[in-house]
Amino acid sequence: DVKVTQSSRYLVKRTGEKVFLECVQDMDHENMFWYRQDPGLGLRLIYFSYDVKMKEKGDIPEGYSVSREKKERFSLILESASTNQTSMYLCASSKYPPQYFGPGTRLTVT
Amino acid sequence: AQSVSQHNHHVILSEAASLELGCNYSYGGTVNLFWYVQYPGQHLQLLLKYFSGDPLVKGIKGFEAEFIKSKFSFNLRKPSVQWSDTAEYFCAVMDSNYQLIWGAGTKLIIKP
Repeated sequence: DVKVTQSSRYLVKRTGEKVFLECVQDMDHENMFWYRQDPGLGLRLIYFSYDVKMKEKGDIPEGYSVSREKKERFSLILESASTNQTSMYLCASSKYPPQYFGPGTRLTVT
Repeated sequence: AQSVSQHNHHVILSEAASLELGCNYSYGGTVNLFWYVQYPGQHLQLLLKYFSGDPLVKGIKGFEAEFIKSKFSFNLRKPSVQWSDTAEYFCAVMDSNYQLIWGAGTKLIIKP
């Protein structure tokens, strides 16, 4: 079974803090993705990566950056958290379709 | 731009009722289609997928979906729902860049 793990299930941060969300997959997948999930909006792609050190912007990259130093790990960084970044963040990985998802991190920015 | 439309944001059914959740997409090329499910407190899981071949696709837990090319639709069906089917269901289409385009989701509530 594919396993995608995320570092925290729940996170509370203050406005202006730097936030790191970590994602690790154990299936040697080339592709990794970060989404945010908001009610009524479905999933929106923030960033994705096709290979180590490679990153591509998704639909809503503003206010976020990513890092992929190792194949199994894909980090999402909020440089200066804002209240409008309160959301559920989902990580996914794939070799081919479909994508496999982690449990999500519910981030609250106060 | 490609888009995916799920017609109902909330659906409430009684146990044993039949289910059909609508999904329409706007993409003219070859499509790969997916339905994912998210049970309360759990991660997104793949229910079923269509790449090619038989347009009637069977997935896990008794779900099926039919790809109708002429209608740009990929509706999800189940003949008899159970309370445990309460979840949020997402339709997605893979575009030519191998990215998934997601519908807004349908929250399904099954009354016991």
